[in-house]
Order: sequence, then C-alpha cells, then structure tokens
Amino acid sequence: QVQLQESGPGLVKPSETLSLTCTVSGGSMRSSYWTWIRQPPGKGLEWIGYIHYSGSTNSNPSLKSRVTILVDMSKNQFSLKLSSVTAADTAVYHCARWNNNNWFDPWGQGTLVTVSS
Amino acid sequence: EIVMTQSPATLSVSPGERATLSCRASQNVNSNLAWYQHKPGQAPRLLIYGASTRATGIPARFSGSGSGTEFSLTISSLQSEDFAVYYCQQYNSWPPLTFGGGTKVEIK
Repeated sequence: QVQLQESGPGLVKPSETLSLTCTVSGGSMRSSYWTWIRQPPGKGLEWIGYIHYSGSTNSNPSLKSRVTILVDMSKNQFSLKLSSVTAADTAVYHCARWNNNNWFDPWGQGTLVTVSS
Repeated sequence: EIVMTQSPATLSVSPGERATLSCRASQNVNSNLAWYQHKPGQAPRLLIYGASTRATGIPARFSGSGSGTEFSLTISSLQSEDFAVYYCQQYNSWPPLTFGGGTKVEIK
C-alpha cells in the first residue's frame, strides 16, 4: 500500500526557508492530491496546503504568501518550502494523501522542524 | 474559516469502558467530517469518514455519528491500543481544511 516519508533538516534559522520532501512509495502519485499538515508542540493540527500531480496547488490563507509546494513525478516526491520562518513555525510536519478532496489517508509519521538560531 | 471544537480535551476511561468524544463545527459541514487517531511518534490514522463510515481495517468498536454541526465518535469498549489523541476534520468548506483541537483518551 501507499506509504509516505518526510525528510529534511531538523533545524532552521529564523528568517530562513524551511524545506521538506515527502517520498511516496508503494503506488503512483498520479490522479491524487498530496498535502502538508503541521502540528506545533502542544497544539492541534494545521493544514498547510496541497498539490495535485498536475502541479495545481492551494494553501491555507494564513500561510499562503510563504508557502510553495512542488511535485517531482520522476522521483515520486513532493516538497514544501516555507519562507521567512519564525519560532511559531516550529512543528512536526506531516505529509499525507488527500483523498478525493476530502479526508487524509495515509499520512507520514512526521518530522520535527525547530526554528532557532 | 470553519472552526472545529472538540470536547472534552481529556477523557479518562478504564479499559473495557465506553468512550464518547464530541466535535462541533462553527457552521454546517453536512456529513463531510473525518476522525483520526494519533499516537506519539506515529502517523495519524484515518478512522471514520463521511461522519459515520469506518475506514478500511478499522475495528467495529469505533463508530461515528452526527451531521450538520454536531458529531461524535464512540469507542464501545476501550482496548489498550486505543489510548491516543483523536482529531476531527471538516472537508465541507475550504480553504482552509480545518481540524479540531483534539481529545486525549487516557487510562483511568
């Protein structure tokens, strides 16, 4: 079955750009939407944005100006870039498949990114 | 933005007992609601979609109900592996897709 795994630096300096990659295995990325979700320490889940395999994207209005999501079908990967980060962007970042523009399944286990100098 | 509110924040339950978790939407989301189980260090797991349909492989002790703005997740007889944090999520109106703040089910 489809599995997702996040990867990227665990520490990012304030004002820099956070970059993460999600690798999809066990299935094709075609005909699906792929998404990023984060969870700050002690807080709930926040949807960041999605990308369709065709390249179309949308993101949370609260983050829209800082979010870039790209897809690389040749590598079965999609990525997240979040610019001008602050301590408030410290979180566990999950990638997930967004099924039929509805629920998320499956998810990756997440990767902790800390924003600190 | 549709705000999802879950209650209680923490639920203390003994193994074998029944647990009922609530989720309220600030606007009508019809039946466009999902529930997830999340354990520390693991990937969140889809339990319920369409407010009441169990996802593949989810045991029958998990059931969802509700529509509109009021929803509930019931675990009929808690097993040791069910102690976790549970989140609801609406997909009726987006962006943004939104989650509740979570209910932690802990051992009493």
